Amino acid sequence: KQEVTQIPAALSVPEGENLVLNCSFTDSAIYNLQWFRQDPGKGLTSLLLIQSSQREQTSGRLNASLDKSSGRSTLYIAASQPGDSATYLCAVIPLYNQGGKLIFGQGTELSVKP
Amino acid sequence: KAGVTQTPRYLIKTRGQQVTLSCSPISGHRSVSWYQQTPGQGLQFLFEYFSETQRNKGNFPGRFSGRQFSNSRSEMNVSTLELGDSALYLCASSLVTPNTGELFFGEGSRLTVL
Repeated sequence: KQEVTQIPAALSVPEGENLVLNCSFTDSAIYNLQWFRQDPGKGLTSLLLIQSSQREQTSGRLNASLDKSSGRSTLYIAASQPGDSATYLCAVIPLYNQGGKLIFGQGTELSVKP
Repeated sequence: KAGVTQTPRYLIKTRGQQVTLSCSPISGHRSVSWYQQTPGQGLQFLFEYFSETQRNKGNFPGRFSGRQFSNSRSEMNVSTLELGDSALYLCASSLVTPNTGELFFGEGSRLTVL
């Protein structure tokens, strides 16, 4: 059974710091991994999608890497800003899955202090 | 291009009642998935529809049901509401298949059961 874990559960950093969020999954047989952002009381905003054949994806100040063999992904945020404060979720779609069942981690709640 | 639209955004019901939530996917997207989000359980998959067919279903009781119409709009229904059904219900759409494609989420429908 696929399980996704995100550590730490919460993180507080000063503005301008570079930071790394971690995501681990127990079964390397995945279609892809997706990182999301969720603001309080809101829906999920897709940040980056990494296909199983890819090693990383970049969008602006965000860079996500994927190491399937070790079951790990990291989301790197450069030069953090107070507007980056949100909960960050990673999710995988298992390879054996029919019909897009995302398996989510519990999320990392990020607070960037001015 | 309009995003995923969910209605209603907020609703309050009492135990025993039923509720219907609606989701309009991004134009051209044919796959719609539903998720339940609670503080204790996190994000859990309910079901996924593609071309009016349910392709996958999560581990929820039969009180939770859904359907998809020919225009890809989807509804989910919860009958005989229980206090534990209070949650944020999120809908996601994908262009063809969520297995390899990116999922886009709506803002959610916040259900409170009294």
